[in-house]
Amino acid sequence: DAMVIQNPRYQVTQFGKPVTLSCSQTLNHNVMYWYQQKSSQAPKLLFHYYDKDFNNEADTPDNFQSRRPNTSFCFLDIRSPGLGDAAMYLCATSRERSSYEQYFGPGTRLTVT
Amino acid sequence: AQSVTQPDIHITVSEGASLELRCNYSYGATPYLFWYVQSPGQGLQLLLKYFSGDTLVQGIKGFEAEFKRSQSSFNLRKPSVHWSDAAEYFCAVLMLSGNTPLVFGKGTRLSVIA
Repeated sequence: DAMVIQNPRYQVTQFGKPVTLSCSQTLNHNVMYWYQQKSSQAPKLLFHYYDKDFNNEADTPDNFQSRRPNTSFCFLDIRSPGLGDAAMYLCATSRERSSYEQYFGPGTRLTVT
Repeated sequence: AQSVTQPDIHITVSEGASLELRCNYSYGATPYLFWYVQSPGQGLQLLLKYFSGDTLVQGIKGFEAEFKRSQSSFNLRKPSVHWSDAAEYFCAVLMLSGNTPLVFGKGTRLSVIA
């Protein structure tokens, strides 16, 4: 029944220790997005994949990378997490880039110790 | 620059009272408009959307929103609020063409009291 799945729901990592967050979708949508949402703020787009085409937002730090091995899965890699990277990370999908609504997953809450 | 404004950071209403959450946008043309709701620790759920046609749109959970072109507004309403409506509400806009991302307002937190 779930359409956009994120694992894990809660992730704790140490300062500087690489971490990977996972997103999968059953909608067969072309586009997958990663957002960062800090407490009491709006989601901030980090990057998106249109099929295999990767699109990085201009202000996304190099510390954040992404992989999309197939249509269903997309990963967010944080190479060296800092305390400021603690946030909720939201994955979303849409059929196409424009004109279509986005479907969001439940998010992964990342804590950096 | 394109922007979405939700002027109310926090609103408190009594259960059973009516609700209106404000949203204004600044774009050169009419964008696609959305309202999302986010419960604590959860992802975003789409409440309703406006693409074209009837300017009063109905959504899930008894919500509706009205697009007013003259005011560049897309306010969310509910005639009778339930305690379970307590959440964060985000207005978002998407341009009709191009590859611009979905732009969110800063959100309005709704508290419901007995």
